[in-house]
Formats: sequence, C-alpha cells, structure tokens
Amino acid sequence: EPEVTQTPSHQVTQMGQEVILRCVPISNHLYFYWYRQILGQKVEFLVSFYNNEISEKSEIFDDQFSVERPDGSNFTLKIRSTKLEDSAMYFCASMWQTPYEQYFGPGTRLTVT
Amino acid sequence: DQQVKQNSPSLSVQEGRISILNCDYTNSMFDYFLWYKKYPAEGPTFLISISSIKDKNEDGRFTVFLNKSAKHLSLHIVPSQPGDSAVYFCAASAVRGGTSYGKLTFGQGTILTVHP
Repeated sequence: EPEVTQTPSHQVTQMGQEVILRCVPISNHLYFYWYRQILGQKVEFLVSFYNNEISEKSEIFDDQFSVERPDGSNFTLKIRSTKLEDSAMYFCASMWQTPYEQYFGPGTRLTVT
Repeated sequence: DQQVKQNSPSLSVQEGRISILNCDYTNSMFDYFLWYKKYPAEGPTFLISISSIKDKNEDGRFTVFLNKSAKHLSLHIVPSQPGDSAVYFCAASAVRGGTSYGKLTFGQGTILTVHP
C-alpha cells in the first residue's frame, strides 16, 4: 500500500541553524501539507501546497519557513534559522483530491538546542 | 484556537464493549470531518470520514455520527479490541466556498485504552 515517507526520523540542531525536513508524498496525490505537533499540544496546520505553489498557510508559517517540491516527488520544509520553540514533531501529509482523507507520514522529531 | 474540541482526554473500556469518542466544533464553515488514530512515534492514521451532507458513515467496526445542529460528532467502535488502544483525533475541514485546500483543524485527542 502506498505511504508517505519522511526523513530524517529525528533531527537535532542548534538554535539559529537551518534545517530541511524531507517528505515523499504518495505518487498520484495533488495536495501536500506540513503540520506540526509540539509535545502535549494539538496537531497544528502549517502550510498547504497545490499546483506548485503555497495555497494556504498559518500564522506560524512566517518568513523563516519555506516549502519546495523540487523534483515532482520530494516535498521539503525548510526552517532558515531555528528557534527553541520550533522543537516539535513535523508531519507531512498528502491528499489526492479535496475532499478526501489526508495520509500522514511517520513524522520527523526536530529538537532545537 | 478551540474550533475543534475533544473534551475527554481519556477513555477506558473493556474488550468487546462499545467505545464512544466525542468531538465538538464551533466553526459552522466546517463541512468535512475525519477521525484519525495515532500511536506513539507514528503519524496519524486515517480511520473514517463524513461529509456534512450525511449524518452517519459506517466502515466495519467504526461508525461516525454527525449532528450538525449540535455541532457534534462521535466515533463508535464496536466491538472494541485491545489493538484499538491509541490516541484518537477528530479533525475538520471547510471544503465548500472554494477557498479551502484541505487544511485540517484538529482536536486535542482522546487516549483510548481497551482492557482485555
């Protein structure tokens, strides 16, 4: 069964460093998402990506964040200068069409020290 | 942001009995609702969904009920099995109106424990 994959599973970085989180969505899906979950809190929407551009973003998704789909298979989230409060689980998700279910990857645990 | 709320942080049931998980929402623009199951250190796994044009959707042991007037949905699991023990999230999306690209708003989750 097709699945969303994410790498790395755990990333430790120092405050102020850039990180890139990678995702391979399900191949025939058209909509792509990043969510995050800070420990003990809700899963929060960050950004949606459709037709090679950002379609919607949350207040969290400020200028420090960017997304790319560089080669038609990968979908990346870049944080330019990490802060301590960026420590969270980051989930990538993809969806074939709206309204259908989104399929989530296993997540990347980002720890900023 | 309390647009989607799951007021019960945890629920404990006996194997074979019914589990009922509840979810309330405040945003009347929401018209598509989903339930996800999550194990520790894994991503959410889709279980079942319902559109606002329906009031019930069933898939095997899982049934979701939607009460639009009360802005309430529930997930019934019958019979409950120990393998169902996980965190259950409800999520909502506003699909109609042409401005949504599927953004999901999640509840806080309910930890379900099914005892053998």
